[in-house]
Amino acid sequence: AQKITQTQPGMFVQEKEAVTLDCTYDTSDPSYGLFWYKQPSSGEMIFLIYQGSYDQQNATEGRYSLNFQKARKSANLVISASQLGDSAMYFCAMREAGYSSASKIIFGSGTRLSIRP
Amino acid sequence: DAGVIQSPRHEVTEMGQEVTLRCKPISGHNSLFWYRQTMMRGLELLIYFNNNVPIDDSGMPEDRFSAKMPNASFSTLKIQPSEPRDSAVYFCASKRTVQETQYFGPGTRLLVL
Repeated sequence: AQKITQTQPGMFVQEKEAVTLDCTYDTSDPSYGLFWYKQPSSGEMIFLIYQGSYDQQNATEGRYSLNFQKARKSANLVISASQLGDSAMYFCAMREAGYSSASKIIFGSGTRLSIRP
Repeated sequence: DAGVIQSPRHEVTEMGQEVTLRCKPISGHNSLFWYRQTMMRGLELLIYFNNNVPIDDSGMPEDRFSAKMPNASFSTLKIQPSEPRDSAVYFCASKRTVQETQYFGPGTRLLVL
């Protein structure tokens, strides 16, 4: 069965430093997708970045990049130059096997990131 | 473009009452997902629809929960009768069939007393 593991329940980082949030996954399917979502204290779920299992390059979106290491089954989120507004809960998620039109996402337990001024 | 719209944003009800949560997906999106988020269980998928048809309802906790999607622009999640353990934030999300990313609504915070 597919599984997402986030081992860091909480992290504190100094403003302007880079931060890496860990995510490992388990699947036997060669085709899958990996996501990161951000949930600030206001509660909404904000999509950050996506990586497909066949993508050759690591995904990047502005200050966010996904460090995809397929052999290790890890999909860590890297936030460069952290800002106070980055303080939030971060969820790693994986699309289960199958076509994206008929597939669901499973979420990890999340990592609470706090940025210190 | 408007995002996913959910109503109500907050709901407080008494045990035994019927609760109906509503969702309007992003126009043009034909996959719709209902999630529940609690401290104990995290974010879990309840049910999802593709082209208004329920595809997987294995996450629906029990018969007290039901969901419908009568047309492409509206879905409901109903709890009858509600129980205190149903207290949670309920999210609706939508996406295009050929798209990977799901876009979430603001959520409905439900409290059952």
